[in-house]
Amino acid sequence: KQEVTQIPAALSVPEGENLVLNCSFTDSAIYNLQWFRQDPGKGLTSLLLIQSSQREQTSGRLNASLDKSSGRSTLYIAASQPGDSATYLCAVFMFSGGYNKLIFGAGTRLAVHP
Amino acid sequence: GAVVSQHPSWVICKSGTSVKIECRSLDFQATTMFWYRQFPKQSLMLMATSNEGSKATYEQGVEKDKFLINHASLTLSTLTVTSAHPEDSSFYICSGSPGTSGYEQYFGPGTRLTVT
Repeated sequence: KQEVTQIPAALSVPEGENLVLNCSFTDSAIYNLQWFRQDPGKGLTSLLLIQSSQREQTSGRLNASLDKSSGRSTLYIAASQPGDSATYLCAVFMFSGGYNKLIFGAGTRLAVHP
Repeated sequence: GAVVSQHPSWVICKSGTSVKIECRSLDFQATTMFWYRQFPKQSLMLMATSNEGSKATYEQGVEKDKFLINHASLTLSTLTVTSAHPEDSSFYICSGSPGTSGYEQYFGPGTRLTVT
C-alpha cells in the first residue's frame, strides 16, 4: 500500500529565506508526482508535475526534484514571500486497486512572516 | 480554462438529515470525477471515482449507501451524504478529469460540511 509522507508538518520562516519541503513515498511504481498548494478552506492549485522519467521541474521560484528509486521528492522555494504561506501537498499518481488514483501526503503548513 | 465549481461552499445540517453537494466542470467535459474527503490537518483521502453514466467505484472503507454519488452528465456529479452524523463533518473536494485515466485532474474549491 502506497504511503506518502511529508516532512516537516509545519514550518515558519522569515521572509526571504530559501526553504525545502520534503516528500517521501513507499512504492516507486508511480506515473508522476505533483506538488499542490492549498490555501485555508480552499481547493487545490497545481504547482508542478514531474513525470516518473524526469528528475526535476521548475516554475518561477519553485523547483521540484524527484528521485523515484529512493522514493523522494523535494520542493525548493527560493526567496520566500508572505504570499507563499499555505499548505503544500505532495501527491503521487499511480495504478492501484484496479485503476489510477492520486495519493496525497498530509501536507506541510508553511507560514512566511514579514 | 479547466474550472471546477462546487456548491455549496459550506453547509451546516442537523444529525440524521441528508445533504447534497454538487460538483460542476464549467469549461470542459469531465468523463471522470473524483470525490475526496479531508479532515483537519490531514491529507485528502479518495472516497470514490465515477465515470459518467456508470456506477461509482468506492474506496475500501467508504460506505456506498451512505455516500451516494451520481454522475449523470459530463459536467455534473453530486455527492449525497445520507443520515449525516457529526463524524461526517469534513471538507469535501471534487475533481474532474477529461479522460478516463485520471491523469489530469482539476479540483473544485471544496465544501465544508458541519453536522450538528
